Amino acid sequence: KNQVEQSPQSLIILEGKNCTLQCNYTVSPFSNLRWYKQDTGRGPVSLTIMTFSENTKSNGRYTATLDADTKQSSLHITASQLSDSASYICVVKEAAGYALNFGKGTSLLVTP
Amino acid sequence: NAGVTQTPKFQVLKTGQSMTLQCAQDMNHEYMSWYRQDPGMGLRLIHYSVGAGITDQGEVPNGYNVSRSTTEDFPLRLLSAAPSQTSVYFCASSYWGASGSSTDTQYFGPGTRLTVL
Repeated sequence: KNQVEQSPQSLIILEGKNCTLQCNYTVSPFSNLRWYKQDTGRGPVSLTIMTFSENTKSNGRYTATLDADTKQSSLHITASQLSDSASYICVVKEAAGYALNFGKGTSLLVTP
Repeated sequence: NAGVTQTPKFQVLKTGQSMTLQCAQDMNHEYMSWYRQDPGMGLRLIHYSVGAGITDQGEVPNGYNVSRSTTEDFPLRLLSAAPSQTSVYFCASSYWGASGSSTDTQYFGPGTRLTVL
């Protein structure tokens, strides 16, 4: 069964610090990998989408990396802000069909 | 553009009642889907549609019906509500390429928080 595992489950960091969230997947065949940010009480919002040929993609202070050989992705947040407090969800799309495989998310809390 | 809108934002039902969760998008997206999100479970696909008149089941379709009569609207019907359907429901939409795949952003609505007593 295709799976998407995220770690850590939750994380607390001080404002201004950097952090890295991990996503490991077994989805095959692979089409693309997406990172979403979900604020409390709201719907997820896309941060990045990466295809097989892309190793790195940035969106402001967010940088996603993808190693399709080892089936691992990471989301690095630089100089964290209080507004970064949210759940970050990794989603992997299969190349065949319409299926999106969702991770359970990493809950990030940035404290003053 | 309003994006993806969902109504209502909150709903309380009694066991056995039926209701329809509304979802609309104004981006002319072919693909629309419904998810439920439960604590510790992540988002799970209920039903999806790749165009008007075309729907299919996702991972957890039991107890839910959908139809897609227009590109814009994709309502989710709960036939006979059960406490196990207490959840937050999200509707999402995106473009879908002619090749049957999409690398485009999926836009989510704000969610409907449903409680079944």
